[in-house]
Amino acid sequence: NAGVMQNPRHLVRRRGQEARLRCSPMKGHSHVYWYRQLPEEGLKFMVYLQKENIIDESGMPKERFSAEFPKEGPSILRIQQVVRGDSAAYFCASSPTGPNTGELFFGEGSRLTVL
Amino acid sequence: GDSVTQMEGPVTLSEEAFLTINCTYTATGYPSLFWYVQYPGEGLQLLLKATKADDKGSNKGFEATYRKETTSFHLEKGSVQVSDSAVYFCALRPLQNSGGSNYKLTFGKGTLLTVNP
Repeated sequence: NAGVMQNPRHLVRRRGQEARLRCSPMKGHSHVYWYRQLPEEGLKFMVYLQKENIIDESGMPKERFSAEFPKEGPSILRIQQVVRGDSAAYFCASSPTGPNTGELFFGEGSRLTVL
Repeated sequence: GDSVTQMEGPVTLSEEAFLTINCTYTATGYPSLFWYVQYPGEGLQLLLKATKADDKGSNKGFEATYRKETTSFHLEKGSVQVSDSAVYFCALRPLQNSGGSNYKLTFGKGTLLTVNP
C-alpha cells in the first residue's frame, strides 16, 4: 500500500514565478493536510481539505497561497509570485477519516527553493 | 498558543549508546503527545504516542512518558543502532473541545540523530 506521495521532491523557482506542489493521499484517505517547515522551525499547519472542500485554511497566508483537493486527482498547493521567504519544506499528510479518530500519515515533503 | 521545545541537534552517538532527546510543551489542558521519525528519503512516521498523563508510549525500543507535572515527553532508547539515524520530531495535538482544532499538530524543530558504528 503506497504511502502519501508528494511531488516534486525538490523545486527551484525564481522570485515572481509560480510553484505547484502535489500530494496524492494514501489509498482510501479522503482528508488531506498541508504543513510547512521554515528553516530552523517546526512544522506548522497550513490547511485541511476534504474532497472538493476546504475545511480550515487558517494557517495559510492570505495572499498568493491557495490549495485544492479536487474530486479526481491529487491535492495541489499553489504559491503565486514566490518570494525568498517561501523557501521551505512543504509536507502533506492524509487520514482515512476525520482527524479525531486516527493518526496522520505524512509524505516525504517537497522542498521549495526560491532564488 | 501551544508550543513544543525539543533538544537542539545534531546529536551524534556511537552504536549501543543511551539516547535521550528532551521535549517539553506548553498547551491548554491535556493534549496528546507524539514522537515522529523521518528516516533519510522518507516521510514522517509516527514512532509512539501518549494520550494522557503518566502514559508511556513505546515502539522499536524507544520509550517516552507523558509527564504532566514537568510538561515533558522525553524520548529514550537504551541502546541505539546505526539504523536509528534519522530526524526526530516531538509534537502535540490539542484535546478535542479544548478550544483548539485537533488536526493542528504543533511540532518541535526536529533533532537530527546520527549513530556511528
